Amino acid sequence: AQSVTQLDSQVPVFEEAPVELRCNYSSSVSVYLFWYVQYPNQGLQLLLKYLSGSTLVESINGFEAEFNKSQTSFHLRKPSVHISDTAEYFCAVSGRGSYIPTFGRGTSLIVHP
Amino acid sequence: DGGITQSPKYLFRKEGQNVTLSCEQNLNHDAMYWYRQDPGQGLRLIYYSQIVNDFQKGDIAEGYSVSREKKESFPLTVTSAQKNPTAFYLCASSISQITYNEQFFGPGTRLTVL
Repeated sequence: AQSVTQLDSQVPVFEEAPVELRCNYSSSVSVYLFWYVQYPNQGLQLLLKYLSGSTLVESINGFEAEFNKSQTSFHLRKPSVHISDTAEYFCAVSGRGSYIPTFGRGTSLIVHP
Repeated sequence: DGGITQSPKYLFRKEGQNVTLSCEQNLNHDAMYWYRQDPGQGLRLIYYSQIVNDFQKGDIAEGYSVSREKKESFPLTVTSAQKNPTAFYLCASSISQITYNEQFFGPGTRLTVL
């Protein structure tokens, strides 16, 4: 069985400030980790993923996440946020034997001007 | 353009009526999924299908039914047995369900039962 905990339901931040959205997972097998973003009244879009190799993964719009096996975490970071980053962010985990991902409850990132 | 389409975007129904939500994909993906999204609860899996004419119950299948007669299509019926059907419904697909890969999502259907 696998599970995901997103520790913050809402993260308010000012524009151009750094942000970290926290994600911890539980799994008994090797994991694959994903971050998705959802803008209001839309579907989810893949932001970045960790499958293997380098533990630091990056997206094209400045987000990055680091897989930390010892702390079972996959936190999402951005050094300087923009108003357009306001959205719901979901962390998800899948693994061998259960490739259907399990999603966290989501973190609402609210960027203030 | 390849992608997933869901229709309609908004749907209103009276209590006690069955309603069918459409999901079509032209990505040539084998696996398709239906999720329900409620505020603060993330995504919960309703049904999934690995291949045509085969589907499996997810975590909250009660009150829902699906079919997979074509690779491209995976409609979801919300029956009158579903006690609280008002929610945002998301359809997704992936290349395969037997290996790691990301899911591609449709734009969603917001169902409101009056």
